[in-house]
Order: sequence, then structure tokens, then C-alpha cells
Amino acid sequence: NAGVTQTPKFQVLKTGQSMTLQCAQDMNHEYMSWYRQDPGMGLRLIHYSVGAGITDQGEVPNGYNVSRSTTEDFPLRLLSAAPYQTSVYFCASSFTQQGGYTFGSGTRLTVV
Amino acid sequence: DQQVKQNSPSLSVQEGRISILNCDYTNSMFDYFLWYKKYPAEGPTFLISISSIKDKNEDGRFTVFLNKSAKHLSLHIVPSQPGDSAVYFCAADLHGSGNTGKLIFGQGTTLQVKP
Repeated sequence: NAGVTQTPKFQVLKTGQSMTLQCAQDMNHEYMSWYRQDPGMGLRLIHYSVGAGITDQGEVPNGYNVSRSTTEDFPLRLLSAAPYQTSVYFCASSFTQQGGYTFGSGTRLTVV
Repeated sequence: DQQVKQNSPSLSVQEGRISILNCDYTNSMFDYFLWYKKYPAEGPTFLISISSIKDKNEDGRFTVFLNKSAKHLSLHIVPSQPGDSAVYFCAADLHGSGNTGKLIFGQGTTLQVKP
């Protein structure tokens, strides 16, 4: 049981490049979310999903796209990376809202 | 506008003493609250939660208190151990009236427990 798996762990992008941060969970969780962690800002919600085919915006969605074609996967896309997107990104999943979310180990992204 | 606030960036306590971490929220619609613990280079891990219908929830050394009228919750760790040294995040959710899937976090408090 791998839990929540995020790839890659580290990434450096040039401004304007695109990339996809991968997130997969093997716990059959319906709820999945993406957060970014910045110093002094805590964890801020980017996008979330309550099930396959359903996504919605969180607190800071600008510059990011998501899709949820399967229960297991919830990729986060940066279409044109910018320096403000330098951050640590965490994916999380939960079976129900009442359960605590299980987080992945994070992706550290630097945009130069 | 920060809906969940942890106003103390850091806290230092002696091993064996009580650690009290505080959290305030502004949205009275929040009805479920959680605490997470995070070590460097790892993802946050769930610690304890409380529903708004309760004012206290206890799990071993960890107790969370909720004061709805003050929109305030706190996490008590007794006794504190060096392994508790980490960043602690409080989080709030709206799920009583429907499925939102939105967990809102505070800024975090770094706890250092000195041997």
C-alpha cells in the first residue's frame, strides 16, 4: 500500500515552460486536493476534487489546471511556469471529509 | 483574507511540560477542525480532529479544545517529548451542509521541545 505518491520530488523549470506534477493514490479515496506551501503562508489550497470527473478551484488556482479522469490520479498542470509558482506542492487524498487527509511527500518546484 | 490563523510562528517548551498551540478562525460556517504535524521534507500527517458539536477530543497525549463562541481551538500536548518537535498546522473544513472537500490551513507553528 503506497498511499499518496507524488512525482517528481524536485524540479527546476524555466519561466514559460510547462509541466505536470503527478499524484496517484491507491486507497480508493474520493477526495483529492493540491496544496502549495510557502514560508509564512502555511498550506494553501490550489484545486480539489470530490470524485472522478469533478474538480473545483481552491484559494489560489491561477496558473494551474487539474483534471480527474480516474479515482486514482489527480495531476496538476502548469501551462506556463512563472517565478511565483516556486513552492513546495503537496497532494492529499481522503476517503471521506471527516477523515484526515493523507498527504504525499511533496514536490519542490523552482521556477527561474 | 486568512480564514484560519495561527498567530504564534514558534513555541519552545521543555521536555515533560505541556505544549499549547493555538488557532483562530473567522468563518463561523466551519464545522470540522483538524491538526496536522509536519516534519521537514515530509508531507503533513494527520494528528487529531474535532467536530463542532464537541468542545474536546482526546487521543493519548494530544487533546484538542474547541471554543466556538470565541472561534478558537487549541492543541495540548502532555507531556511534550523531543520527538514532538515539528511544525503544527490547524485546518478547518465545511462539510456539514454538503461535500466541499475544501480544507483551509493556518500558517503553522513550529514547536521545539528541548530535552
